[in-house]
Amino acid sequence: AQTVTQSQPEMSVQEAETVTLSCTYDTSENNYYLFWYKQPPSRQMILVIRQEAYKQQNATENRFSVNFQKAAKSFSLKISDSQLGDTAMYFCAFTGGAQKLVFGQGTRLTINP
Amino acid sequence: KAGVTQTPRYLIKTRGQQVTLSCSPISGHRSVSWYQQTPGQGLQFLFEYFSETQRNKGNFPGRFSGRQFSNSRSEMNVSTLELGDSALYLCASTTGDRVEQYFGPGTRLTVT
Repeated sequence: AQTVTQSQPEMSVQEAETVTLSCTYDTSENNYYLFWYKQPPSRQMILVIRQEAYKQQNATENRFSVNFQKAAKSFSLKISDSQLGDTAMYFCAFTGGAQKLVFGQGTRLTINP
Repeated sequence: KAGVTQTPRYLIKTRGQQVTLSCSPISGHRSVSWYQQTPGQGLQFLFEYFSETQRNKGNFPGRFSGRQFSNSRSEMNVSTLELGDSALYLCASTTGDRVEQYFGPGTRLTVT
């Protein structure tokens, strides 16, 4: 069974700083996909970024980028120039392609003014 | 395009009752998945429907069931409600041949 672990329950940084959220996963599959979702206080889950396991290049979406280390089964999210609107729960998620997402426990990120 | 919509947004039920939640996917999306989110267990996959057929199922008791209609709208039903069923129920949709899922705002179910 696949598992996803987020070891940082909470993090707090100042606005404009860079922050990195950690995620490790366990799977025996070779082809899979990894995601970071953001859940603000409104509870709406928002897709932040995705990474295909077969791609060596790390995904980037504006201020959000990932560090994907396939051998280490690590998938961290870096948020650059953090903004107050980035305050949210962040979930790392895995799927082997079966439309079933396995989520980590989440990291509560607070951006302070 | 309109996003995923879920109704109702909030619901209060009593133990032993049953409840039906509804999800309308993004136009053109044929796959609908349901997740339960609780503080203790986190986000857990319930089931996924594609073209009116259940393709995947999580580890939930038979009290949890679902269905999908020809217009891709989906419903989930929970019978004989228990206090532990209190949760945020999230619905997500995708085209079926892509992996990223797009979530609705959720239905907050409280069982008293």
